[in-house]
Amino acid sequence: GAVVSQHPSWVICKSGTSVKIECRSLDFQATTMFWYRQFPKQSLMLMATSNEGSKATYEQGVEKDKFLINHASLTLSTLTVTSAHPEDSSFYICSAPRGGGDQETQYFGPGTRLLVL
Amino acid sequence: AQSVTQPDIHITVSEGASLELRCNYSYGATPYLFWYVQSPGQGLQLLLKYFSGDTLVQGIKGFEAEFKRSQSSFNLRKPSVHWSDAAEYFCAANYGGATNKLIFGTGTLLAVQP
Repeated sequence: GAVVSQHPSWVICKSGTSVKIECRSLDFQATTMFWYRQFPKQSLMLMATSNEGSKATYEQGVEKDKFLINHASLTLSTLTVTSAHPEDSSFYICSAPRGGGDQETQYFGPGTRLLVL
Repeated sequence: AQSVTQPDIHITVSEGASLELRCNYSYGATPYLFWYVQSPGQGLQLLLKYFSGDTLVQGIKGFEAEFKRSQSSFNLRKPSVHWSDAAEYFCAANYGGATNKLIFGTGTLLAVQP
């Protein structure tokens, strides 16, 4: 089956620093990828849609200058949390769709746990 | 607003017992519906999906779900639960077609007693 990886799997950083998270589709190409955030005991909330070769589309309430998304190739999207603060501590998950129409399925990465001290 | 509701935050069942996890979607155009399972350290895995047609959908690991338009529901079932089924289960909907913008429910954490 399709595989999506994320790196790193967890990261601890100091407040004010920036953290980059990578999302890769390992055996398929994805012109679109999605970034979600999941707080403890809560559901996944879509943050943004990453578009290969163009700007990301952010959901309402998500600061685009804080969460920089780059989709430089058909297999890689990166999310950079700039000037991270403790409230940004969360579980970040990416997904990539494969197939089309009724056969399309979202494949999710294992997630990246971010802790900002 | 479009939403997905999972009324049960936490469910405990005995191994071998049957299971039903509830999911309701907000009224409106019928969305595409999905059930995912999330195990610690692993990504969300798709169990099954409903786009159209037969309202009883078979998935992996012995799971099935039934779409009921009259109740705006898409409940997940399994006739006999195994200890390895302990995980968190998410119902999700896509109102915009077959792609993207999945709206997730809050999840149901399943515990399995020996």
